Amino acid sequence: DVKVTQSSRYLVKRTGEKVFLECVQDMDHENMFWYRQDPGLGLRLIYFSYDVKMKEKGDIPEGYSVSREKKERFSLILESASTNQTSMYLCASSLLGTTSTDTQYFGPGTRLTVL
Amino acid sequence: ILNVEQSPQSLHVQEGDSTNFTCSFPSSNFYALHWYRWETAKSPEALFVMTLNGDEKKKGRISATLNTKEGYSYLYIKGSQPEDSATYLCAFRSNFGNEKLTFGTGTRLTIIP
Repeated sequence: DVKVTQSSRYLVKRTGEKVFLECVQDMDHENMFWYRQDPGLGLRLIYFSYDVKMKEKGDIPEGYSVSREKKERFSLILESASTNQTSMYLCASSLLGTTSTDTQYFGPGTRLTVL
Repeated sequence: ILNVEQSPQSLHVQEGDSTNFTCSFPSSNFYALHWYRWETAKSPEALFVMTLNGDEKKKGRISATLNTKEGYSYLYIKGSQPEDSATYLCAFRSNFGNEKLTFGTGTRLTIIP
């Protein structure tokens, strides 16, 4: 079974702090993704990575950066946390999409509160 | 930004009843349509990936149909059980050449015992 783990289930930070959210997958997947989920909105893609050191902006990258130094690990960084970044953050991974049926496997999410 | 809509937003169903809900997506540049189930405090879990117009998929009491020409998919649950309570998400993948999924806002299903 694919396992995607995230470093924290709950996190509370203060405005202006630098925040790291870590994600690790154990199935040698090429693709990794960071989403945020807010009430009344679907999962929105922040960034994704299709290889080590490669990254692409998603739909809402502003205020975030990412790092992928190893294949299994994808980090989301909030350089200076703001209250509007209070949200549920989900990480996902998938095989490089050589077929249309490649599904994404999700972690359990990190609920981040910025005070 | 692609528009993927799900209806209804929430639904309460008596245990044992059957139910269905809808996902609408762009009818052009279709590549695949994913359905996920997301139970509270758990990870979203893949249910189906559908690729061909007219596709029907089934997993136990849950099934899904796909109409790519008109841009919709239905998810059906037969004989609802309390463990079916979850948020059901659909996600559209276009043929633009990358792995991005665009998610709907979900249908929150509550089964009343």
